[in-house]
Amino acid sequence: KAGVTQTPRYLIKTRGQQVTLSCSPISGHRSVSWYQQTPGQGLQFLFEYFSETQRNKGNFPGRFSGRQFSNSRSEMNVSTLELGDSALYLCASSLLPLGTDNSPLHFGNGTRLTVT
Amino acid sequence: QQPVQSPQAVILREGEDAVINCSSSKALYSVHWYRQKHGEAPVFLMILLKGGEQKGHDKISASFNEKKQQSSLYLTASQLSYSGTYFCGTRRLSGNTGKLIFGQGTTLQVKP
Repeated sequence: KAGVTQTPRYLIKTRGQQVTLSCSPISGHRSVSWYQQTPGQGLQFLFEYFSETQRNKGNFPGRFSGRQFSNSRSEMNVSTLELGDSALYLCASSLLPLGTDNSPLHFGNGTRLTVT
Repeated sequence: QQPVQSPQAVILREGEDAVINCSSSKALYSVHWYRQKHGEAPVFLMILLKGGEQKGHDKISASFNEKKQQSSLYLTASQLSYSGTYFCGTRRLSGNTGKLIFGQGTTLQVKP
């Protein structure tokens, strides 16, 4: 069974630009959640999509948005990039909605975004 | 509210034991534990539900003390392969229970 696939692996953008990251979940998984990882901050929750609907959103500005397609693939968009957006962005898929007992997260390898 | 993990970092020799704690100021329903090796994706270890259930996975076990809202991860007779950053993820008992909020991570280094 193929794991969670994130593309691209690396991105370099300049301030003010926008970027779109992609996440393909494990086959059959309908929940996709996104996280920002920076040194010392751990994994900061961005949002979760389940069956094409956003279920929850973290405390990030509106520049961060996402969507999920009917095949459960998800995209995350960041507009008007700032230097502080440089981070590793991880997505995770699970069979059931986030937080459901005994439904672990399966993470992708992430997209490393550098904003210059 | 992000759970607090302690210690932030620990260095061990092979065969030594370690305990990583995850504390929350909010009442919790469940705690997840994940391990992330350098340059890799976090990998699921175990989920603990409220009720003080203890689980084990090889020589790694964990407990959940709902009175203290704290979970502890126990690594026994550590191996080199245990090196990595350990994250706890918590789900609240009330309020917005649909989120999994992660701690800042504990870096574990096992030396030969």
